Amino acid sequence: DVKVTQSSRYLVKRTGEKVFLECVQDMDHENMFWYRQDPGLGLRLIYFSYDVKMKEKGDIPEGYSVSREKKERFSLILESASTNQTSMYLCASSFGGLGGYTFGSGTRLTVV
Amino acid sequence: AQSVTQLDSQVPVFEEAPVELRCNYSSSVSVYLFWYVQYPNQGLQLLLKYLSGSTLVKGINGFEAEFNKSQTSFHLRKPSVHISDTAEYFCAVSDRDDTPLVFGKGTRLSVIA
Repeated sequence: DVKVTQSSRYLVKRTGEKVFLECVQDMDHENMFWYRQDPGLGLRLIYFSYDVKMKEKGDIPEGYSVSREKKERFSLILESASTNQTSMYLCASSFGGLGGYTFGSGTRLTVV
Repeated sequence: AQSVTQLDSQVPVFEEAPVELRCNYSSSVSVYLFWYVQYPNQGLQLLLKYLSGSTLVKGINGFEAEFNKSQTSFHLRKPSVHISDTAEYFCAVSDRDDTPLVFGKGTRLSVIA
């Protein structure tokens, strides 16, 4: 089975901290995605990447950046965490666009 | 850009009753449709997908969905639900192979014993 592993299940950070959310997939997938999930808003795309060192902005990139130095790893960075970034963050990967995505279990981030 | 509307935010249903979760998408020449399920404290899992061909798509756990182009809908159905089907369900759409999926806001299905 394809596995997408998010390094932390729960995180609590202080306002202004730099936060790294790590995501690793083990099936040589080309495509990787970061979504945030909020009640009543569903999933919203933050950033995605279709290749190493490539990144594209999604619908809500403000306040975030990403890094993809290796094919299997896609990191989401909150440069200066704010309370409105408290959310569930979901990483996903896919081989091509139409096979469906494999999601990690999510990281619930609380910024205080 | 594509968009998806899930018409019901919450659907309560008694165990062994049928259920339909509704999904409508914005019209496009080509469209690819997906349903995902999220169990409590887990990531999303693919239930089924429509890419082309037969408009009735069967998925895992006894779920099926019907693609209706004229009504721009892709409703999810199950003839008899179980307690274990309690979860949040997301409809998603893409109009090209190289664009990310756009997700609906989700429908929370609660199965009552």
